[in-house]
Amino acid sequence: QQQVKQSPQSLIVQKGGISIINCAYENTAFDYFPWYQQFPGKGPALLIAIRPDVSEKKEGRFTISFNKSAKQFSLHIMDSQPGDSATYFCAASKTGGYNKLIFGAGTRLAVHP
Amino acid sequence: DGGITQSPKYLFRKEGQNVTLSCEQNLNHDAMYWYRQDPGQGLRLIYYSQIVNDFQKGDIAEGYSVSREKKESFPLTVTSAQKNPTAFYLCASSTGTSGGRQFFGPGTRLTVL
Repeated sequence: QQQVKQSPQSLIVQKGGISIINCAYENTAFDYFPWYQQFPGKGPALLIAIRPDVSEKKEGRFTISFNKSAKQFSLHIMDSQPGDSATYFCAASKTGGYNKLIFGAGTRLAVHP
Repeated sequence: DGGITQSPKYLFRKEGQNVTLSCEQNLNHDAMYWYRQDPGQGLRLIYYSQIVNDFQKGDIAEGYSVSREKKESFPLTVTSAQKNPTAFYLCASSTGTSGGRQFFGPGTRLTVL
């Protein structure tokens, strides 16, 4: 019930294309779903996050789509750029007091020029 | 300039030696965390601390130890009992009630020779 399953493991997209990464969770108590971006040799950085009271959140070229009934959420990167090449992690947690972030296994994205 | 610092960036250890990884934050965060990252895997929680002088085991605590004597500092010791310590280690912090949002340091890459 604590797992977050992320797919695909790796993704190659042409410059200007749309990158889509999917995550699924089991614990219906989760109510915070962030995406982290990590460049090689660096720590992850929060990219965008969503709570289940909305079905979509957009920040620039990055959009999270959230499907509460299916217990799935996805990251869409529009107009993908070579600078977006990184590893992306989805995560989930419960808010209120301390609650651990449960991370997906990560998706390595390569955007080719 | 607020943030999380980790040192050293690279660390080499001979088998049988204990090593300590440093993590300092000036974000005034209550909670701090240590994660281990291996290629192709997500972040796995080693230890976490919600408050000074208190810490809890995460999912892979065996072979590791921590202390939290100051709010700003959360050092991790990799002991000789850790059978496969070569990995990228990440420290993170959060306010503790931020609903999961964690801020990560730049990481320490530990290699056992």
